[in-house]
Amino acid sequence: GQNIDQPTEMTATEGAIVQINCTYQTSGFNGLFWYQQHAGEAPTFLSYNVLDGLEEKGRFSSFLSRSKGYSYLLLKELQMKDSASYLCADPSNTGKLIFGQGTTLQVKP
Amino acid sequence: DARVTQTPRHKVTEMGQEVTMRCQPILGHNTVFWYRQTMMQGLELLAYFRNRAPLDDSGMPKDRFSAEMPDATLATLKIQPSEPRDSAVYFCASGLMTSGDFYEQYFGPGTRLTVT
Repeated sequence: GQNIDQPTEMTATEGAIVQINCTYQTSGFNGLFWYQQHAGEAPTFLSYNVLDGLEEKGRFSSFLSRSKGYSYLLLKELQMKDSASYLCADPSNTGKLIFGQGTTLQVKP
Repeated sequence: DARVTQTPRHKVTEMGQEVTMRCQPILGHNTVFWYRQTMMQGLELLAYFRNRAPLDDSGMPKDRFSAEMPDATLATLKIQPSEPRDSAVYFCASGLMTSGDFYEQYFGPGTRLTVT
């Protein structure tokens, strides 16, 4: 089966760094996705990790440890527009995504 | 600028009525997904297709929901009869999956359904 856990809510200050964690249990590992979803909008792709380590994309980085069943999304130099839900998702062997409940991040001035 | 389109964007209907939601995937994508999102349940997969063939609809209440792909440019999700508990945002997503490779899914803007 597949279980994905993320914190429900986080709050951070503009300009700061925030780390959003995701733990997963899956019967067959095929990598881990991160999506961003602003209120009232569709999810948009942020990153896909299949190998251990940190992948950096501008202000956003994603880390994966397969042995620990653990991933995190790191957001640097937070901006107000980063206030959104962040969803980690596990692709099954057939490609369908199993989403976590999402972490709602609120960035405050 | 290729994107997934969905119609209608908003739908308000009375309990018992039929609802049809439509999705046009990105041209060239071979996999189409239907998701439902509510505050309580989050984002749930209802059904998906590859090369127009249904692969998995285990997330869908089959007594009232049906999903089809009449052609490569159109996917439909129907609810008949609709119930208030079906109120949610329904997203369509598409992607290109090749053998052994995983890929990002592109989401449409969603259909916000309210059943009264």
